[in-house]
Amino acid sequence: QKEVEQNSGPLSVPEGAIASLNCTYSDRGSQSFFWYRQYSGKSPELIMSIYSNGDKEDGRFTAQLNKASQYVSLLIRDSQPSDSATYLCAVNLAGSSNTGKLIFGQGTTLQVKP
Amino acid sequence: KAGVTQTPRYLIKTRGQQVTLSCSPISGHRSVSWYQQTPGQGLQFLFEYFSETQRNKGNFPGRFSGRQFSNSRSEMNVSTLELGDSALYLCASSRGTGEAFFGQGTRLTVV
Repeated sequence: QKEVEQNSGPLSVPEGAIASLNCTYSDRGSQSFFWYRQYSGKSPELIMSIYSNGDKEDGRFTAQLNKASQYVSLLIRDSQPSDSATYLCAVNLAGSSNTGKLIFGQGTTLQVKP
Repeated sequence: KAGVTQTPRYLIKTRGQQVTLSCSPISGHRSVSWYQQTPGQGLQFLFEYFSETQRNKGNFPGRFSGRQFSNSRSEMNVSTLELGDSALYLCASSRGTGEAFFGQGTRLTVV
């Protein structure tokens, strides 16, 4: 079992729709969770961090964390073609909490069609 | 505020050679982590340096090594290059508490 798992997609949504991206992790003691966006040929860009159960909203983005079920999700409201990218879920595992060691999922490719 | 700077941006090396990559973190960040990104394996953690000490290490062979200087700048070295080392090498800096910011990466091609 991989430590962090994501559906590779592609996930295709029409412009204006809600895109829902999911991620599961295996280490129950993990405390810190991050979503990165990576455009083709570019480096990952941090878009959301979440540490507590529940929802965290930032503009059109909402991160959701459920530690009991060991999943974290990212919702993108009013999706735009410019949101088309690969979204990477990253986790600080319990043994490396509060350090710079992140374990990444394989990423989900999102396509927003005009 | 300046971001994370990696040099060089592109490199072409021959099998058996060695290579050194450089990373300057965001001012005030003491943690520098290195990652390898390939289409097949995704983003994989190499190692992390914090205050000049290696704090975490991934599952890569000893040919991959790094160091960090007193000004937090970091270098990564790969010796005896193999074709499979061709990848995008990314450096990320943080204050040491998880949130990490990536540089633009160094694209290494081994021929």
